[in-house]
Amino acid sequence: AQSVTQLDSQVPVFEEAPVELRCNYSSSVSVYLFWYVQYPNQGLQLLLKYLSGSTLVKGINGFEAEFNKSQTSFHLRKPSVHISDTAEYFCAVGDSGNTPLVFGKGTRLSVIA
Amino acid sequence: NAGVTQTPKFQVLKTGQSMTLQCAQDMNHEYMSWYRQDPGMGLRLIHYSVGAGITDQGEVPNGYNVSRSTTEDFPLRLLSAAPSQTSVYFCASSYGSGANVLTFGAGSRLTVL
Repeated sequence: AQSVTQLDSQVPVFEEAPVELRCNYSSSVSVYLFWYVQYPNQGLQLLLKYLSGSTLVKGINGFEAEFNKSQTSFHLRKPSVHISDTAEYFCAVGDSGNTPLVFGKGTRLSVIA
Repeated sequence: NAGVTQTPKFQVLKTGQSMTLQCAQDMNHEYMSWYRQDPGMGLRLIHYSVGAGITDQGEVPNGYNVSRSTTEDFPLRLLSAAPSQTSVYFCASSYGSGANVLTFGAGSRLTVL
C-alpha cells in the first residue's frame, strides 16, 4: 500500500528566504507524485506533478520539486518566498492502477514579513 | 465552466440528523471522490467512484453512503450524524485516478452538535 510522509507539519520562514517542504513516499510500484496547495478557506489546487521524464519538475508560482527514486522523496522548493505563499501544502502519490491518490497530512507554510 | 460545485458551503446538524452533501461536476470526469479534512490529519478518503454505477470505500467510510447514478453527480449522505463527523468535506474529480490531476470543490464545512 502507498503512503506519504510529510516530515514537517509547520514551517515558518521569513519573506524572500528560501524554503523546502519535505515529502517521502512508500510504494512498491511506479509512482506519480503531486504537490497541491490550499490557500485559506479554499479547496486544493495543483502546484506541480511528476509523471515521468525529468526528475526536476517546475510548477506554478516559482515552485519546483525533485523526484529522487533512491531516497523515495519528492521535496518541494522555492528560492524566495512571498507573503502570498502562506498556505497549506499537500504531497500526494498515485500509481498506474485505478486506485485513488494518497495524501500526506500537509505542511502549513507561514511566511513572515 | 463551473468545475466542481459543492453545496451547501456550511451546515450545522444535531446529533442523529441525516443530510446529503451535494457534488456536481461539468467536466465529464469519470472519477469522483469525497475527502474529509481535519486538523493534523490531512485529507482522508471517504468514498470514491470510477464511473456511473460504481462506488468503493476509502479509508474512513463508516457513517457515510454514496451513490453514482450519473457521471455528473456524486452525493455524500450522512445517515445519522455524530460529533466525530464535524469536518470540512471536499469533493474532487478527474478523468481517472493514478496520474490524473484532481479538481477540487471549494469545500463544505459541517458542524454536528
